[in-house]
Amino acid sequence: AQSVTQLDSHVSVSEGTPVLLRCNYSSSYSPSLFWYVQHPNKGLQLLLKYTSAATLVKGINGFEAEFKKSETSFHLTKPSAHMSDAAEYFCVVDGGSQGNLIFGKGTKLSVKP
Amino acid sequence: EPEVTQTPSHQVTQMGQEVILRCVPISNHLYFYWYRQILGQKVEFLVSFYNNEISEKSEIFDDQFSVERPDGSNFTLKIRSTKLEDSAMYFCASRDRGQAFSNQPQHFGDGTRLSIL
Repeated sequence: AQSVTQLDSHVSVSEGTPVLLRCNYSSSYSPSLFWYVQHPNKGLQLLLKYTSAATLVKGINGFEAEFKKSETSFHLTKPSAHMSDAAEYFCVVDGGSQGNLIFGKGTKLSVKP
Repeated sequence: EPEVTQTPSHQVTQMGQEVILRCVPISNHLYFYWYRQILGQKVEFLVSFYNNEISEKSEIFDDQFSVERPDGSNFTLKIRSTKLEDSAMYFCASRDRGQAFSNQPQHFGDGTRLSIL
């Protein structure tokens, strides 16, 4: 069965410093992995996706993630945090043939001025 | 860019009443989903729908729940005899079939916050 584990429930960074949100996955086959972001009182917006092409995936708003099979990780990074990046971030794995998604518990990112 | 739209944004209902949550998926999408997020918990899959029938459902999706695509645009989630524990944010999502199914991400609506009193 597929699953994802987000290693931090809350990450706090200063504006302009790097962001690292950690995610490990478990999958019985080559997974499709996603990062979604949820701003307060908003829906889930796709940041980026990995689907067995390039292992370094670039997404919107300067985010990127690297798929590391040997470490079963798919960490999300951004070189320089912006205040508008404050939100909850979900690491997600494609759960089955019908495409249902399996979500991690989420990491709340706070950005200090 | 096309969007998934959900109505209402907030629904308050008395326990035991029926509630219908509505979604308009992106027009050329073929797969439709409902998820829920209880406050403080992770987003959970409820059901997927394709070709006018349920293709997969989770343990949460019991006889209390049903889905329907009554016309070419709407996709609804009905909860019969609501319970306090049904209070949650409910998200609708849709997905294109595409040539490589796993490459197609799901697009989510902004959600309906359901409060059961």
